[in-house]
Amino acid sequence: GQSLEQPSEVTAVEGAIVQINCTYQTSGFYGLSWYQQHDGGAPTFLSYNALDGLEETGRFSSFLSRSDSYGYLLLQELQMKDSASYFCAVGGNFNKFYFGSGTKLNVKP
Amino acid sequence: GAVVSQHPSWVICKSGTSVKIECRSLDFQATTMFWYRQFPKQSLMLMATSNEGSKATYEQGVEKDKFLINHASLTLSTLTVTSAHPEDSSFYICSAVEVERGHNEQFFGPGTRLTVL
Repeated sequence: GQSLEQPSEVTAVEGAIVQINCTYQTSGFYGLSWYQQHDGGAPTFLSYNALDGLEETGRFSSFLSRSDSYGYLLLQELQMKDSASYFCAVGGNFNKFYFGSGTKLNVKP
Repeated sequence: GAVVSQHPSWVICKSGTSVKIECRSLDFQATTMFWYRQFPKQSLMLMATSNEGSKATYEQGVEKDKFLINHASLTLSTLTVTSAHPEDSSFYICSAVEVERGHNEQFFGPGTRLTVL
């Protein structure tokens, strides 16, 4: 089976940097993804890490350590529009993905 | 980018009726689609993997006779909630994976909010 753990809620101010951690247990690990979901909307893809290390995409970066079964999403220069829920998801066989419980990010002025 | 649509976006039905939800990949072929359900303020729970031309693979605890999945073409998968009950009220989301060129990104439909009275 799969299990993923991430903090339930994080609060930060505009312009700050925030890191959302994700630890996972899974059989047949293929990669770790991050998704953003605004209230009432569908999840949107942010990043995918199959190999160890840091992937940077604009203000967002994602890190993976397969030996530690750990990853994180780093959001820089926070903006109000970044307030949303962020989900980590582990990918396995046949591209099936299992999602963590989600972290609600509150960005305050 | 790849676009996935769902129809309807919301539906209200009476208890005991069946509801069909369509998921379409608009600009790419999806041999595999996934169906999730999400309760308010909770995570996405994978229900089943929909494979074009073959039977769906259901996750443990998901009743295959209640949630019928048909993947009739490379761009269309349908989920039918049979004999719906109030506890089936949820946000149902489909996704498709574009596996060409090494992509591992799931593209999600906008979701269907089902309310069973």
